[in-house]
Amino acid sequence: EAGVVQSPRYKIIEKKQPVAFWCNPISGHNTLYWYRQNLGQGPELLIRYENEEAVDDSQLPKDRFSAERLKGVDSTLKIQPAELGDSAVYLCASSLAANTGELFFGEGSRLTVL
Amino acid sequence: KQEVTQIPAALSVPEGENLVLNCSFTDSAIYNLQWFRQDPGKGLTSLLLIQSSQREQTSGRLNASLDKSSGRSTLYIAASQPGDSATYLCAVRQDTNAGKSTFGDGTTLTVKP
Repeated sequence: EAGVVQSPRYKIIEKKQPVAFWCNPISGHNTLYWYRQNLGQGPELLIRYENEEAVDDSQLPKDRFSAERLKGVDSTLKIQPAELGDSAVYLCASSLAANTGELFFGEGSRLTVL
Repeated sequence: KQEVTQIPAALSVPEGENLVLNCSFTDSAIYNLQWFRQDPGKGLTSLLLIQSSQREQTSGRLNASLDKSSGRSTLYIAASQPGDSATYLCAVRQDTNAGKSTFGDGTTLTVKP
């Protein structure tokens, strides 16, 4: 069974440029999460989806970050415009159910903003 | 607000030693606790999941325990090997707030041959 798939693995951009990350969760997992991980720290939740509905986006900086999960399967996280402080690893995770399920993570997308 | 602490931040041991990694949390109203391993430049790999009603879980050389009342979990690694070198993170899932998970910052383990 395929795990959580993310792309791209690495992205280097100039500040003020846009960037997008894509995630395909494990088949059948209706809950999808986007996390941000800064160097030396644990992941922090940006947004959680139940099917196609964003049910927790309280930590998403909505002035520059947006996300979508069309058809309740794969998801895209966008940053526009990127700032130097956005440099981090963006991790996607999925679980079978929000409050019971084990979290499964993808390999992450490492963003460097110059 | 849940806070999760992992001490020490780094640990170095010789090969073959048994070792314990610690995870403490401030709010005992949890649903489960999950231990992960993260290799450099990689995502998180799930090691063990302990439900709040359980006291421990075992997988191979790994054993995780949970004491909700004291807000502590430990990950025991038996007969450590150089391949165990990685960062180990714990995540605590709340039984309220729609099951939000809070992560510690991890313990970076180095096992020397």
